[in-house]
Amino acid sequence: AQKVTQAQTEISVVEKEDVTLDCVYETRDTTYYLFWYKQPPSGELVFLIRRNSFDEQNEISGRYSWNFQKSTSSFNFTITASQVVDSAVYFCALSVMMDSSYKLIFGSGTRLLVRP
Amino acid sequence: DTGVSQNPRHKITKRGQNVTFRCDPISEHNRLYWYRQTLGQGPEFLTYFQNEAQLEKSRLLSDRFSAERPKGSFSTLEIQRTEQGDSAMYLCASSSGKKGYNEQFFGPGTRLTVL
Repeated sequence: AQKVTQAQTEISVVEKEDVTLDCVYETRDTTYYLFWYKQPPSGELVFLIRRNSFDEQNEISGRYSWNFQKSTSSFNFTITASQVVDSAVYFCALSVMMDSSYKLIFGSGTRLLVRP
Repeated sequence: DTGVSQNPRHKITKRGQNVTFRCDPISEHNRLYWYRQTLGQGPEFLTYFQNEAQLEKSRLLSDRFSAERPKGSFSTLEIQRTEQGDSAMYLCASSSGKKGYNEQFFGPGTRLTVL
Protein backbone atom coordinates (compact mmCIF):
# COMPACT_ATOMS: atom_id res chain seq x y z
CA ALA A 1 0.00 0.00 0.00
CA GLN A 2 1.10 3.56 -0.60
CA LYS A 3 1.62 5.49 2.59
CA VAL A 4 3.46 8.52 3.94
CA THR A 5 4.48 8.76 7.58
CA GLN A 6 5.51 11.96 9.30
CA ALA A 7 6.25 10.80 12.82
CA GLN A 8 6.90 14.27 14.22
CA THR A 9 3.57 15.82 15.07
CA GLU A 10 4.95 19.11 16.32
CA ILE A 11 8.41 20.68 16.57
CA SER A 12 9.28 23.86 18.43
CA VAL A 13 12.60 25.63 17.89
CA VAL A 14 14.09 29.00 18.64
CA GLU A 15 14.78 31.30 15.73
CA LYS A 16 18.08 30.63 13.92
CA GLU A 17 18.16 26.99 14.92
CA ASP A 18 18.33 24.34 12.20
CA VAL A 19 15.43 21.91 12.05
CA THR A 20 14.85 18.66 10.13
CA LEU A 21 11.41 17.33 9.29
CA ASP A 22 11.25 13.59 8.69
CA CYS A 23 9.27 11.79 6.02
CA VAL A 24 9.11 8.05 5.38
CA TYR A 25 7.11 6.60 2.52
CA GLU A 26 5.90 3.25 1.24
CA THR A 27 5.06 2.49 -2.36
CA ARG A 28 4.94 -0.44 -4.74
CA ASP A 29 5.55 1.79 -7.75
CA THR A 30 9.00 1.89 -9.32
CA THR A 31 8.44 5.40 -10.66
CA TYR A 32 7.04 7.97 -8.30
CA TYR A 33 7.40 11.53 -7.13
CA LEU A 34 7.83 12.96 -3.68
CA PHE A 35 6.74 16.43 -2.65
CA TRP A 36 6.88 18.84 0.22
CA TYR A 37 4.15 21.41 0.76
CA LYS A 38 3.90 24.17 3.35
CA GLN A 39 0.56 25.18 4.89
CA PRO A 40 0.80 28.52 6.73
CA PRO A 41 -1.97 29.66 9.09
CA SER A 42 -3.83 31.15 6.13
CA GLY A 43 -4.50 27.57 5.03
CA GLU A 44 -3.29 27.56 1.45
CA LEU A 45 -0.91 24.74 0.53
CA VAL A 46 2.28 26.09 -0.97
CA PHE A 47 4.39 23.83 -3.19
CA LEU A 48 8.05 23.64 -2.10
CA ILE A 49 9.73 20.83 -4.04
CA ARG A 50 9.20 17.77 -6.21
CA ARG A 51 11.72 14.94 -6.62
CA ASN A 52 11.42 11.89 -8.85
CA SER A 53 12.35 8.39 -7.77
CA PHE A 54 15.35 8.23 -10.10
CA ASP A 55 17.07 11.29 -8.76
CA GLU A 56 18.61 10.80 -5.35
CA GLN A 57 20.77 13.89 -5.39
CA ASN A 58 20.28 16.15 -2.45
CA GLU A 59 18.98 19.58 -3.24
CA ILE A 60 19.52 22.94 -1.65
CA SER A 61 17.44 26.04 -2.23
CA GLY A 62 18.41 28.95 -0.04
CA ARG A 63 17.78 27.94 3.57
CA TYR A 64 15.94 24.78 2.49
CA SER A 65 17.56 21.43 1.72
CA TRP A 66 16.20 17.99 1.01
CA ASN A 67 17.77 14.56 1.57
CA PHE A 68 16.22 11.77 -0.51
CA GLN A 69 17.38 8.24 0.35
CA LYS A 70 15.70 5.47 -1.55
CA SER A 71 17.39 2.76 0.53
CA THR A 72 15.56 3.95 3.64
CA SER A 73 12.47 5.29 1.81
CA SER A 74 12.99 8.68 3.33
CA PHE A 75 12.72 12.24 2.04
CA ASN A 76 13.72 14.57 4.82
CA PHE A 77 13.53 18.35 4.77
CA THR A 78 15.92 20.66 6.61
CA ILE A 79 15.46 24.35 7.28
CA THR A 80 18.71 26.12 8.15
CA ALA A 81 18.68 29.18 10.38
CA SER A 82 14.94 29.01 10.93
CA GLN A 83 12.84 32.16 10.98
CA VAL A 84 9.51 32.98 12.60
CA VAL A 85 7.93 33.10 9.12
CA ASP A 86 8.77 29.42 8.72
CA SER A 87 6.11 28.59 11.30
CA ALA A 88 3.57 26.43 9.49
CA VAL A 89 2.44 22.86 8.98
CA TYR A 90 4.63 20.98 6.53
CA PHE A 91 3.33 18.05 4.52
CA CYS A 92 5.25 15.37 2.71
CA ALA A 93 3.39 13.73 -0.16
CA LEU A 94 3.79 10.78 -2.53
CA SER A 95 2.41 10.53 -6.05
CA VAL A 96 0.19 7.63 -7.03
CA MET A 97 -0.30 7.29 -10.76
CA MET A 98 -3.76 7.63 -12.30
CA ASP A 99 -4.98 7.82 -15.87
CA SER A 100 -2.83 10.59 -17.41
CA SER A 101 -1.96 12.17 -14.07
CA TYR A 102 -1.31 11.36 -10.43
CA LYS A 103 -2.96 11.88 -7.08
CA LEU A 104 -1.14 12.85 -3.93
CA ILE A 105 -1.00 10.78 -0.76
CA PHE A 106 -0.15 13.13 2.10
CA GLY A 107 1.36 12.47 5.48
CA SER A 108 -0.38 13.83 8.54
CA GLY A 109 1.92 16.83 8.65
CA THR A 110 4.45 18.29 11.06
CA ARG A 111 3.59 21.55 12.78
CA LEU A 112 6.69 23.73 13.08
CA LEU A 113 6.73 26.57 15.56
CA VAL A 114 9.68 28.94 15.38
CA ARG A 115 9.87 31.15 18.47
CA PRO A 116 11.64 34.51 18.39
CA ASP B 1 -0.80 35.04 -13.06
CA THR B 2 -3.80 34.38 -10.85
CA GLY B 3 -3.79 31.22 -8.78
CA VAL B 4 -6.53 28.74 -8.03
CA SER B 5 -9.55 30.39 -6.47
CA GLN B 6 -12.32 28.82 -4.43
CA ASN B 7 -15.66 30.14 -3.28
CA PRO B 8 -17.01 30.46 -0.73
CA ARG B 9 -14.09 30.46 1.69
CA HIS B 10 -16.31 29.49 4.58
CA LYS B 11 -19.69 27.78 4.71
CA ILE B 12 -21.77 27.00 7.76
CA THR B 13 -24.82 24.85 7.22
CA LYS B 14 -27.27 22.75 9.14
CA ARG B 15 -27.26 19.00 8.91
CA GLY B 16 -29.38 17.78 6.04
CA GLN B 17 -28.88 20.83 3.83
CA ASN B 18 -27.19 20.76 0.44
CA VAL B 19 -24.06 22.80 -0.24
CA THR B 20 -22.11 23.60 -3.39
CA PHE B 21 -18.54 24.81 -3.69
CA ARG B 22 -16.84 26.29 -6.71
CA CYS B 23 -13.24 26.08 -7.90
CA ASP B 24 -11.65 28.15 -10.64
CA PRO B 25 -8.32 26.64 -11.70
CA ILE B 26 -5.34 28.42 -13.17
CA SER B 27 -6.49 29.38 -16.64
CA GLU B 28 -4.20 27.20 -18.77
CA HIS B 29 -4.50 24.13 -16.54
CA ASN B 30 -6.62 21.31 -17.92
CA ARG B 31 -6.34 19.05 -14.86
CA LEU B 32 -8.35 19.68 -11.73
CA TYR B 33 -8.40 17.82 -8.40
CA TRP B 34 -10.51 17.91 -5.26
CA TYR B 35 -9.13 16.96 -1.85
CA ARG B 36 -10.62 16.99 1.63
CA GLN B 37 -8.67 17.88 4.75
CA THR B 38 -9.94 17.23 8.26
CA LEU B 39 -8.46 18.84 11.35
CA GLY B 40 -4.95 17.66 12.11
CA GLN B 41 -4.67 15.52 8.99
CA GLY B 42 -3.20 15.82 5.55
CA PRO B 43 -5.44 16.29 2.53
CA GLU B 44 -7.13 13.20 1.08
CA PHE B 45 -7.85 12.80 -2.61
CA LEU B 46 -11.50 12.90 -3.68
CA THR B 47 -11.68 13.18 -7.46
CA TYR B 48 -9.86 14.24 -10.64
CA PHE B 49 -10.88 15.84 -13.93
CA GLN B 50 -9.02 16.12 -17.18
CA ASN B 51 -10.83 18.83 -19.08
CA GLU B 52 -14.53 18.01 -18.55
CA ALA B 53 -14.05 14.28 -18.01
CA GLN B 54 -14.08 12.93 -14.46
CA LEU B 55 -11.42 10.22 -14.65
CA GLU B 56 -10.97 9.12 -11.08
CA LYS B 57 -13.10 9.04 -7.93
CA SER B 58 -12.05 8.02 -4.44
CA ARG B 59 -14.11 5.67 -2.29
CA LEU B 60 -14.35 8.66 0.06
CA LEU B 61 -16.74 10.21 -2.45
CA SER B 62 -20.04 8.79 -1.29
CA ASP B 63 -23.27 8.95 -3.28
CA ARG B 64 -24.07 12.23 -1.57
CA PHE B 65 -21.10 13.89 -3.27
CA SER B 66 -21.08 14.93 -6.89
CA ALA B 67 -18.52 16.91 -8.82
CA GLU B 68 -18.76 18.48 -12.24
CA ARG B 69 -16.55 20.42 -14.56
CA PRO B 70 -18.70 21.67 -17.43
CA LYS B 71 -16.74 22.87 -20.44
CA GLY B 72 -13.49 21.95 -18.74
CA SER B 73 -13.15 25.24 -16.92
CA PHE B 74 -14.42 25.78 -13.37
CA SER B 75 -15.59 22.89 -11.23
CA THR B 76 -18.31 22.48 -8.62
CA LEU B 77 -18.48 20.06 -5.74
CA GLU B 78 -21.94 19.44 -4.28
CA ILE B 79 -22.72 17.65 -1.06
CA GLN B 80 -26.31 16.60 -0.56
CA ARG B 81 -27.92 15.98 2.84
CA THR B 82 -24.85 17.12 4.72
CA GLU B 83 -23.75 15.28 7.82
CA GLN B 84 -21.57 16.48 10.68
CA GLY B 85 -18.81 14.19 9.44
CA ASP B 86 -18.64 16.26 6.26
CA SER B 87 -17.15 19.15 8.23
CA ALA B 88 -13.71 19.70 6.72
CA MET B 89 -11.63 21.91 4.46
CA TYR B 90 -12.30 21.18 0.80
CA LEU B 91 -9.27 21.93 -1.34
CA CYS B 92 -9.09 22.28 -5.08
CA ALA B 93 -5.87 21.98 -7.08
CA SER B 94 -4.97 22.26 -10.73
CA SER B 95 -2.05 21.29 -12.94
CA SER B 96 -1.14 21.73 -16.57
CA GLY B 97 -1.48 19.01 -19.16
CA LYS B 98 2.00 19.48 -20.50
CA LYS B 99 4.33 16.51 -20.77
CA GLY B 100 5.68 15.33 -17.47
CA TYR B 101 4.14 15.24 -14.05
CA ASN B 102 3.63 18.81 -13.08
CA GLU B 103 3.01 20.23 -9.69
CA GLN B 104 -0.48 20.57 -8.37
CA PHE B 105 -1.21 24.13 -7.29
CA PHE B 106 -3.75 24.44 -4.51
CA GLY B 107 -6.43 26.99 -3.83
CA PRO B 108 -7.18 28.50 -0.40
CA GLY B 109 -9.91 25.96 0.31
CA THR B 110 -13.53 26.12 1.44
CA ARG B 111 -14.04 25.39 5.11
CA LEU B 112 -17.35 23.62 5.69
CA THR B 113 -18.94 23.44 9.12
CA VAL B 114 -22.04 21.28 9.50
CA LEU B 115 -24.03 22.02 12.64
